Amino acid sequence: EAGVTQFPSHSVIEKGQTVTLRCDPISGHDNLYWYRRVMGKEIKFLLHFVKESKQDESGMPNNRFLAERTGGTYSTLKVQPAELEDSGVYFCASSQEGQGVGKNIQYFGAGTRLSVL
Amino acid sequence: AQTVTQSQPEMSVQEAETVTLSCTYDTSESDYYLFWYKQPPSRQMILVIRQEAYKQQNATENRFSVNFQKAAKSFSLKISDSQLGDAAMYFCAYRSNLISGSARQLTFGSGTQLTVLP
Repeated sequence: EAGVTQFPSHSVIEKGQTVTLRCDPISGHDNLYWYRRVMGKEIKFLLHFVKESKQDESGMPNNRFLAERTGGTYSTLKVQPAELEDSGVYFCASSQEGQGVGKNIQYFGAGTRLSVL
Repeated sequence: AQTVTQSQPEMSVQEAETVTLSCTYDTSESDYYLFWYKQPPSRQMILVIRQEAYKQQNATENRFSVNFQKAAKSFSLKISDSQLGDAAMYFCAYRSNLISGSARQLTFGSGTQLTVLP
């Protein structure tokens, strides 16, 4: 079974440009999360989808960030326009809630390293 | 709001020896999960071990075990018989077990970089 997949693995863009990150969760996982780690600090929560609905977007830093999960499958996170402080590693995770083995555990992708110059 | 603290930015251990990584947390909730994740240089974050707060028994996974002290809000990770492949950044994380969907986010500590010396 494929794990959580993120594209691209690394993106280098200039300030003011637009970047779109993609996350493919584990098949069957209704819950999808975005996190980011900026400048070696703590990993911070950005938002949480349940299927195609935004359950919690309290961690989104500002309106330059837009996340979508059309159809409840893969998700995209767009940064427009990118600023220098957006540089960091963006992680995606997915989970299935409930009872049983493997439930209530967030499985992470390898992350997208974003460099804004 | 919950907080997670890892007071050891870096640790090292000799191969085959035992090392303990510290983690403390703060919460007013009684039902929650605690996790240890590892992130090797390849960057894929992998779950190491999970502890459910209502379980008194400490979780174990092969060479990895935890010392969960609920009253003290402490959740340390012990790695026995350390191997070169254990070298990674280790993150402690907290997750509420409230029914509310907004409670499912993970709160992470700042991480501990573990070096394993041959």
